[in-house]
Amino acid sequence: DQQVKQNSPSLSVQEGRISILNCDYTNSMFDYFLWYKKYPAEGPTFLISISSIKDKNEDGRFTVFLNKSAKHLSLHIVPSQPGDSAVYFCAAKDGRNFNKFYFGSGTKLNVKP
Amino acid sequence: EAGVAQSPRYKIIEKRQSVAFWCNPISGHATLYWYQQILGQGPKLLIQFQNNGVVDDSQLPKDRFSAERLKGVDSTLKIQPAKLEDSAVYLCASSLGASSYQETQYFGPGTRLLVL
Repeated sequence: DQQVKQNSPSLSVQEGRISILNCDYTNSMFDYFLWYKKYPAEGPTFLISISSIKDKNEDGRFTVFLNKSAKHLSLHIVPSQPGDSAVYFCAAKDGRNFNKFYFGSGTKLNVKP
Repeated sequence: EAGVAQSPRYKIIEKRQSVAFWCNPISGHATLYWYQQILGQGPKLLIQFQNNGVVDDSQLPKDRFSAERLKGVDSTLKIQPAKLEDSAVYLCASSLGASSYQETQYFGPGTRLLVL
């Protein structure tokens, strides 16, 4: 039962352009959403988050949008840089369940110079 | 602030052998998680500790996997005996464990296990 889904396994973007990574979830009780970035041979690194009471959170080049009615969130990276090339995981937290986290399968972003 | 530490970083064993992984969470973090990540998939929760008590081990294959968190700090995850399908990256993460809904997990570098 996959409660968090990332349907695009990979994405290729030209340097300087926008990268949009998408994530869908099924559990309406998720109260907090996070994006992690993972380089090869490293653990996931926290990137940005958004609570369920907001619809947008911005941190520098990274913006996360949350559409609760559609159970959808997206990560926008503008402008994209080659160093952004990594696997991005979407995660959601169930605050009712001991803060258990659910992860998507990841999207591999390749930013071409 | 020191991050989550894990060791070893890599391990190669033969099937039916045993292996143990160690994790030291961020100081002050009450919640500790062990995940298994198979190539091409997202992290899958194996076990979650709150201090030294288990709050979720529903996806831990208890016939071969065990974990403990003594004194509510360090944790070890053991596999005995290992199977080929246990080849994966084992990630340890920790979080404050506070009641705030803005709870964030922080991950260690992972241990890459190859079972031959």
